[in-house]
Amino acid sequence: DAEITQSPRHKITETGRQVTLACHQTWNHNNMFWYRQDLGHGLRLIHYSYGVQDTNKGEVSDGYSVSRSNTEDLPLTLESAASSQTSVYFCASSLSLEVDEQYFGPGTRLTVT
Amino acid sequence: GQNIDQPTEMTATEGAIVQINCTYQTSGFNGLFWYQQHAGEAPTFLSYNVLDGLEEKGRFSSFLSRSKGYSYLLLKELQMKDSASYLCAVRDSNYQLIWGAGTKLIIKP
Repeated sequence: DAEITQSPRHKITETGRQVTLACHQTWNHNNMFWYRQDLGHGLRLIHYSYGVQDTNKGEVSDGYSVSRSNTEDLPLTLESAASSQTSVYFCASSLSLEVDEQYFGPGTRLTVT
Repeated sequence: GQNIDQPTEMTATEGAIVQINCTYQTSGFNGLFWYQQHAGEAPTFLSYNVLDGLEEKGRFSSFLSRSKGYSYLLLKELQMKDSASYLCAVRDSNYQLIWGAGTKLIIKP
């Protein structure tokens, strides 16, 4: 069955370190998204991609970067982790931007100490 | 600015009916989604409305009024497993999803 996976599921890191969160989908979807979820806030878009070599900034992109070298993967990198980036991170994908729903990965809980 | 409002928390009784409201102000409208999210898990798709009216899917129904910027999710015959957060999201003119903070639904026996 097609799926979307994230790794690691839990990560504790120190302030200033670079961290990469992996996202892999086997749906063959062109569209991929990274969100963060914090108490009291809705899901907030960090970065998104509409296809290979395409990346775009979302609402809260400062301090994060992504790259899209193939259809299946969209890794999210925190260049220099900050305590404000402690959050739960969700990756999602969709087939059609105009019509279809987004499918979510299981999430990565990141703690920056 | 863009804004999605939904109640923070609601409580209902097993077997009853509950209605979760969502009001929105967004730059453009290309559909409204409802997702369910159990604690510690990923959001999962429940329903989609793009035209005014009611969409029914088993025990769950979703209603949309575009002129009022309003939607609701209706859950019937509540079960304990329906205890979860319910997220409302609007697809805006750029086809991005704008998310509400979610409504935590607590079901009591």
